[in-house]
Amino acid sequence: EPEVTQTPSHQVTQMGQEVILRCVPISNHLYFYWYRQILGQKVEFLVSFYNNEISEKSEIFDDQFSVERPDGSNFTLKIRSTKLEDSAMYFCASSEWQNTEAFFGQGTRLTVV
Amino acid sequence: AQKVTQAQTEISVVEKEDVTLDCVYETRDTTYYLFWYKQPPSGELVFLIRRNSFDEQNEISGRYSWNFQKSTSSFNFTITASQVVDSAVYFCALSEWVGSGGSNYKLTFGKGTLLTVNP
Repeated sequence: EPEVTQTPSHQVTQMGQEVILRCVPISNHLYFYWYRQILGQKVEFLVSFYNNEISEKSEIFDDQFSVERPDGSNFTLKIRSTKLEDSAMYFCASSEWQNTEAFFGQGTRLTVV
Repeated sequence: AQKVTQAQTEISVVEKEDVTLDCVYETRDTTYYLFWYKQPPSGELVFLIRRNSFDEQNEISGRYSWNFQKSTSSFNFTITASQVVDSAVYFCALSEWVGSGGSNYKLTFGKGTLLTVNP
């Protein structure tokens, strides 16, 4: 069964460092997303990506964040200068069409120290 | 603005009991979608169901059933004969159809309900 895969599963980084979270969406999906979940809290939308551009982003997704689809399979989230409050589980998701079900990866736990 | 409320923070039941998880939503749109996701202790988000706003028919899938009541803006989830493996956080989520191109899509999640099923 096709699935969304994320690497690494856990990343520890020092405050101020850049971090790149990687995702491989399901191959025939056209819409890609990043969400985050601060420990014990609800899942929050960060950004949606379609046709090689951002289609919507939340207030959380400020200038420190960027997304890229560098090739036909990967979808990345970059945080330029991490802050302590960026510590969270980051989920990548993809869907075949708009408003069809989004399938989530297993998440990357980012810890900023 | 859209909003999803899951008033039950935690529920604890004994195995084989039925349990209903409540979800109330707010949206200005007439076209929208409702979802339930399961987050087991391992952390991943598992898709359970998607329902569009035009389809109020209730759905049953094995021990799971969903009751969509547009009149009360609720989309409740019932697990029949609960099992220990059902222990997880369950999230209700809402998406609106945003933009004529349909390429804007995001899920608004509720805060989740932690279900613990004890043997």
